[in-house]
Amino acid sequence: DIEMTQSPDSLAVSLGERATINCKSSQSVLYSSNNKDYLAWYQQKPGQPPKLLIYWASTRESGVPDRFSGSGSGTDFTLTISSLQAEDVAVYYCQQYYSTPITFGQGTRLEIE
Amino acid sequence: QVQLQESGPGLVKPSQTLSLTCTVSGDSITSGTYYWSWIRQPAGKGLEWIGRIYTSGSASGSAKYNPSLKSRVTISVDTSKNQFSLILSSVTAADTAVYYCARGQHTLPEYQLLQIDCWGQGTLVTVSS
Repeated sequence: DIEMTQSPDSLAVSLGERATINCKSSQSVLYSSNNKDYLAWYQQKPGQPPKLLIYWASTRESGVPDRFSGSGSGTDFTLTISSLQAEDVAVYYCQQYYSTPITFGQGTRLEIE
Repeated sequence: QVQLQESGPGLVKPSQTLSLTCTVSGDSITSGTYYWSWIRQPAGKGLEWIGRIYTSGSASGSAKYNPSLKSRVTISVDTSKNQFSLILSSVTAADTAVYYCARGQHTLPEYQLLQIDCWGQGTLVTVSS
């Protein structure tokens, strides 16, 4: 199994400031034949299912605000929220779909400072 | 717009079998290049992928499971009802969780799994006597 490790476990950021969440995979999730990273980011608010934010490590899902961006390749990835809004309080998960079983990071709880 | 809804008993006794159904509305479960998954989340914890099933093309009906649960899990599909189902046998308290059904995309012709883009609201299943 590919293990996904996120850092930090929790994060407090002031409104309007930048939030950065990191994700590391135990092996590369870059598929050489198409040069795509099989990595997604999800946002989960209390009592709700996860919501897809980013796929292919950096492609924003339709309707996701452009303050959310993803970067990285291979084994190291980052989710950045450029200017934190109150509605961004949530737990964020990275996920690899390079191989089965699909695996998720342990989650990063984002709060307002 | 496709919607997914889980249904099934909220309480299961230890050693018995958990059975859940996901009803898909807004589109046919056989349309497009999608796979259908079950994912669970114990209270206050992270997400665990249980398995997936394909419903179209040459791999239709093909299921694959997380090795951690493989011996106890079956995922099946009923295209006439636009539903897919989860059976988990010999449950213990460790199987207590919110269970989500979800839809993901896949490639053709390789059937590579891609991102999960649609989730049900989830249903809490408690294993207790």
